[in-house]
Amino acid sequence: DAGVIQSPRHEVTEMGQEVTLRCKPISGHNSLFWYRQTMMRGLELLIYFNNNVPIDDSGMPEDRFSAKMPNASFSTLKIQPSEPRDSAVYFCASSRGDRGGNQPQHFGDGTRLSIL
Amino acid sequence: RKEVEQDPGPFNVPEGATVAFNCTYSNSASQSFFWYRQDCRKEPKLLMSVYSSGNEDGRFTAQLNRASQYISLLIRDSKLSDSATYLCVVYNYGQNFVFGPGTRLSVLP
Repeated sequence: DAGVIQSPRHEVTEMGQEVTLRCKPISGHNSLFWYRQTMMRGLELLIYFNNNVPIDDSGMPEDRFSAKMPNASFSTLKIQPSEPRDSAVYFCASSRGDRGGNQPQHFGDGTRLSIL
Repeated sequence: RKEVEQDPGPFNVPEGATVAFNCTYSNSASQSFFWYRQDCRKEPKLLMSVYSSGNEDGRFTAQLNRASQYISLLIRDSKLSDSATYLCVVYNYGQNFVFGPGTRLSVLP
């Protein structure tokens, strides 16, 4: 079975540029999560969707970050304009269940983002 | 106080050793518990769910103590390939999954 698919795997861009990260969850999973991981702060939840609806975006750092889930098989995380402090690994994860339920999450390979 | 806490380690143990990790959580209403492992520069991967009665999967044993609000992971006969960071994860219904900071394990030859 295909797992969570993220693209791109790596992104290097200059500050001020727009960055778009993409995620395809596992088919049949109705919850989708975006995380950011850095050495200093560990794994941080940015936002999660249930049945394509954003449920909790309290982890989104600021207005420069936005996320969408136009359908059950696709989500984007956009940063505009990007800043060097946004450099991190961004993970997408999906799970079954109501509002995430008690089913475990399955993670994509992540996008390693470097903002110069 | 952080919602989920773990000893950061690192734990350096020889091959064949038994090692145990503990994790504490602050929300007494937490419902579901998991252990994930994360290899360097890789994504977190589910190791095992933690059930109220405790559960075992090969060399791995997970325990839950709701009264004391802690979860443990025991690894027996550790292998070099067990070297990784182990993440404790707690799920609170209506809220979300909360990840601990992780405990780093190095199994030495």
